[in-house]
Amino acid sequence: AQKITQTQPGMFVQEKEAVTLDCTYDTSDPSYGLFWYKQPSSGEMIFLIYQGSYDQQNATEGRYSLNFQKARKSANLVISASQLGDSAMYFCAMREGQGAQKLVFGQGTRLTINP
Amino acid sequence: GAVVSQHPSRVICKSGTSVKIECRSLDFQATTMFWYRQFPKQSLMLMATSNEGSKATYEQGVEKDKFLINHASLTLSTLTVTSAHPEDSSFYICSARGRRPRTDTQYFGPGTRLTVL
Repeated sequence: AQKITQTQPGMFVQEKEAVTLDCTYDTSDPSYGLFWYKQPSSGEMIFLIYQGSYDQQNATEGRYSLNFQKARKSANLVISASQLGDSAMYFCAMREGQGAQKLVFGQGTRLTINP
Repeated sequence: GAVVSQHPSRVICKSGTSVKIECRSLDFQATTMFWYRQFPKQSLMLMATSNEGSKATYEQGVEKDKFLINHASLTLSTLTVTSAHPEDSSFYICSARGRRPRTDTQYFGPGTRLTVL
């Protein structure tokens, strides 16, 4: 079974609009962490935001926020006021278990911001 | 903080030769480094995890004799693709994790594109 599911292969959004990228996860471990990374065409993976399973509040980092719905096992990334430079692949990832090191990645969503 | 470099960024080699890729954490100590492989339009697949001073732990299906990993210091890990073949052509990307800036986050290098002719 897929541990991380990103159901949107591609998204097209107008500049300055907000965009939500979907991510659902599957785990039975009560301790886990969820990450979002951005991969521009140059290839590097840029860390955007982190949400721990025990965190009481949704994580925010500048224009990025994570809509964490624990009961639904979803961790959607919200980008406010999108910019042309936001065009990239976005990957959701999960680390399972306390002290675990491995990340499991979803298949990614290609976001294109139109001017 | 949390800058990870990789060298080289691109390499083209002949079939049968070996290629070494370096991964360095520039401004933090990486207790653990990870090596991933990414095929075009696909996600990242973890190849191995290495802790400083220890042998690497390889994922199922990854040949440890073909992909040699050395993590000799807290800032350097190397991946050597031995006797490379065209099917080894891929994008190889490393990540590093330490106590700072965040213990729970992997920080990635810019990747190395390997082409085997």
